[in-house]
Amino acid sequence: AQSVTQPDIHITVSEGASLELRCNYSYGATPYLFWYVQSPGQGLQLLLKYFSGDTLVQGIKGFEAEFKRSQSSFNLRKPSVHWSDAAEYFCAVGILTSGTYKYIFGTGTRLKVLA
Amino acid sequence: GAVVSQHPSWVICKSGTSVKIECRSLDFQATTMFWYRQFPKQSLMLMATSNEGSKATYEQGVEKDKFLINHASLTLSTLTVTSAHPEDSSFYICSARTQGIREQYFGPGTRLTVT
Repeated sequence: AQSVTQPDIHITVSEGASLELRCNYSYGATPYLFWYVQSPGQGLQLLLKYFSGDTLVQGIKGFEAEFKRSQSSFNLRKPSVHWSDAAEYFCAVGILTSGTYKYIFGTGTRLKVLA
Repeated sequence: GAVVSQHPSWVICKSGTSVKIECRSLDFQATTMFWYRQFPKQSLMLMATSNEGSKATYEQGVEKDKFLINHASLTLSTLTVTSAHPEDSSFYICSARTQGIREQYFGPGTRLTVT
């Protein structure tokens, strides 16, 4: 069955430190891949997406992600975290199922940033 | 572009009553709309998919008679929670996409509290 795994439920980093959030998926083909950020009580904001082509994609707010087909992964990175990055991060994969493209979301990673 | 709105953003209703949530695509034609449910500190779970003018397709375990979805136009979908109970309290998020585009655009969410 298709699934998305975000192994880290919580991550704490110091401001200015680098960040990597992990995402692995299970799907028979190459899915469309997304990273979203959600602040408390708010909706989703798209950080970046991968459909095809260059496997290193750049997003907003200084985030980037790399698609690795061999590892079925799409990890999110940021070289220097800011306090405002504290939020919940969701990885999502778009898959074709029952004739419709749907999203499957990972369980999320909650990022805490220490001053 | 690709803006999706939801109304209301927050609603409180009494147990046993029904409440309707609207989802609108403001600047594109939403041929397909999706409704998600998110419990506190959890991920998004797809409830149903609807194509304009067709009956919604519900995910396994979602009660069709409790969560009524109507997608009568290319810009509007509604979710009606019937005979609401406190356990229906949740954050409901809609998304929409247009024909030929696989990316979904998300609304800001509606917080439902049933007392």
